[in-house]
Amino acid sequence: QVQLVQSGAEVKKPGASVKVSCKASGYTFTGYYMHWVRQAPGQGLEWMGWINPNSGGTNYAQKFQGRVTMTRDTSISTAYMELSRLRSDDTAVFYCARSVKWSPLSDWGQGTLVTVSS
Amino acid sequence: QSVLTQTPSASGTPGQRVTISCSGSSSNIGSKTVNWYQQLPGTAPKLLIYSNNQRPSGVPDRFSGSKSGTSASLAISGLQSEDEADYYCAAWDDSLNGHVVFGGGTKLTVL
Repeated sequence: QVQLVQSGAEVKKPGASVKVSCKASGYTFTGYYMHWVRQAPGQGLEWMGWINPNSGGTNYAQKFQGRVTMTRDTSISTAYMELSRLRSDDTAVFYCARSVKWSPLSDWGQGTLVTVSS
Repeated sequence: QSVLTQTPSASGTPGQRVTISCSGSSSNIGSKTVNWYQQLPGTAPKLLIYSNNQRPSGVPDRFSGSKSGTSASLAISGLQSEDEADYYCAAWDDSLNGHVVFGGGTKLTVL
């Protein structure tokens, strides 16, 4: 069965960077886009961008352009999301989710809580 | 401010039918299919409805979706206490080589 297993919770100081991983199993990793979605405490879902694991191509939401970098390692079926210049309002749960382009985000990781605090 | 617009809250009593609406534009709902996600407290979102009105395997037929023009709706009939959750609409957007846009979410309370 499809599984997306994310790395554990992180605590970071303002100005630092965080890198969250998402290990995929149960399907062909390069056959599906990997999206990242942010959810601040008590708030809604916010799409951050996607990476095409086959080509490495990315597409980021304008809000995160310049601060987010999505990468992948096909040898271990793992996608990564790095967010830099962290601020306190970046405190959130970050989810990875897979989809075919133009199709729904069908499977989601369990989420990774990133806390930004001095 | 979310690209897709949802009313923030909805409520109903057990057995009732409730409807949640979602409004977008020609570049997203107007030209792409709508998907709905259910998020139970403390859990990751789960795909509930895809391609406007299709249910993934395991989703009860009490849940149904529809789309007209640049709006969509999710209906839940025979409301149950376990349906209390946040519901999000989403769609791909034609702009910028394909972004995904979400609604702000609707918190459903079962009274």
